[in-house]
Amino acid sequence: GAGVSQSPSNKVTEKGKDVELRCDPISGHTALYWYRQRLGQGLEFLIYFQGNSAPDKSGLPSDRFSAERTGESVSTLTIQRTQQEDSAVYLCASSPGARIMTGELFFGEGSRLTVL
Amino acid sequence: TQLLEQSPQFLSIQEGENLTVYCNSSSVFSSLQWYRQEPGEGPVLLVTVVTGGEVKKLKRLTFQFGDARKDSSLHITAAQPGDTGLYLCAGGESGYALNFGKGTSLLVTP
Repeated sequence: GAGVSQSPSNKVTEKGKDVELRCDPISGHTALYWYRQRLGQGLEFLIYFQGNSAPDKSGLPSDRFSAERTGESVSTLTIQRTQQEDSAVYLCASSPGARIMTGELFFGEGSRLTVL
Repeated sequence: TQLLEQSPQFLSIQEGENLTVYCNSSSVFSSLQWYRQEPGEGPVLLVTVVTGGEVKKLKRLTFQFGDARKDSSLHITAAQPGDTGLYLCAGGESGYALNFGKGTSLLVTP
């Protein structure tokens, strides 16, 4: 498809289990972002990948959260030992480049995570 | 981290009314973007403002960037039910991640 694709769209898991969320950015986009959105809230920055540069991990809330990106393609966000507070929609976005002035963020529809 | 404060948090109006929502920060931004998010979907870009004092119009929506590039407003004229959604402002510096405000949730009833 032409847009940002995220999977799964919905994930229900039990507290303490690990989950992996996947993002396929738009082809050719060098920048990739992960955000978390709790119910009724705005977007909380998690991590930012730009080309081959070291990722900006400053938004990851704890060491249970990690993310990887293979080159300029797929990214996976992993949450270990999930907690109920991790329940949220995880949004991925990609952008043509690092220059925010010219690059809008294109968002996927998100992965809704529910931790029981 | 550059914090963006949006107000009001919630707004419920009737079709045909005008409204303004605000985005404020103590930091200066090189650019600021407005997004609209509908339930179950990701945010979609409405506009990017770059120059202090800049005004951009998108049909019934008017966006203004403050002279000091620390704040922005979004004015909607004659709101319609299709304008319902979460309006998010986002700002940042080139090469860094975009920071979002918490949004204004707008409900326009017929």
